[in-house]
Amino acid sequence: QVQLVQSGPEVKKPGASVKVSCKASGYTFTSYGISWVRQAPGQGLEWMGWITAFNGHSKYAQKFQGRITMTTDTSTSTVDMELRSLKSDDTAVYYCARGSGGGPRGIDFWGQGTLVTVSS
Amino acid sequence: SYVLAQAPSVSVAPGKTARITCGENNIGSKTVHWYQQKPGQAPVLVIYYDSDRPSGIPERFSGSNSGNTATLTISRVEAGDEADYYCQVWDTTNEHAVFGGGTKLTVL
Repeated sequence: QVQLVQSGPEVKKPGASVKVSCKASGYTFTSYGISWVRQAPGQGLEWMGWITAFNGHSKYAQKFQGRITMTTDTSTSTVDMELRSLKSDDTAVYYCARGSGGGPRGIDFWGQGTLVTVSS
Repeated sequence: SYVLAQAPSVSVAPGKTARITCGENNIGSKTVHWYQQKPGQAPVLVIYYDSDRPSGIPERFSGSNSGNTATLTISRVEAGDEADYYCQVWDTTNEHAVFGGGTKLTVL
């Protein structure tokens, strides 16, 4: 069965960086891309960007351009998302999920989420 | 980026039909996906490609998309359907996904 398992919760200070990992299993990793979607407390879903697993091509939402990097490691079927220059309003649950949202099948499997807390 | 228009909340009695809408100019020309999110859980895809159901999603869930409105319909609503529901499309101009603001479905 398809599984996306994310790394554990993080607490960071403003200005720091955070890296969240997402390990995929149960399907051919290089056949799908991975999106990152975040959800601030009590708020809706916000798409941050996505990366194709087979060649690492990435596309980021304009809001995060310049401070986000997504990378993929096909040897371990893992995608990492690094967010830099953290601010308090980056406090959110970060999800990795299979698919870009641009294909016909949507974003079809989601990780369990990683809580990132930014606080001084 | 923009956010698709969804009503913040919808209430329905058990056994009745819930309709959750997602509005955007000419959304009928785009592909719409729908996600269900229960408190403390990750979202789950319940409808893709406007009206298709993933494996394991009950037939009570259906979708339609035409003109300026996409609709998620839940028939014979059960208490377990209480959740937030989000629509999503792909913005081809900017090459990114766009979510609706979410609708909280309350089962009375």
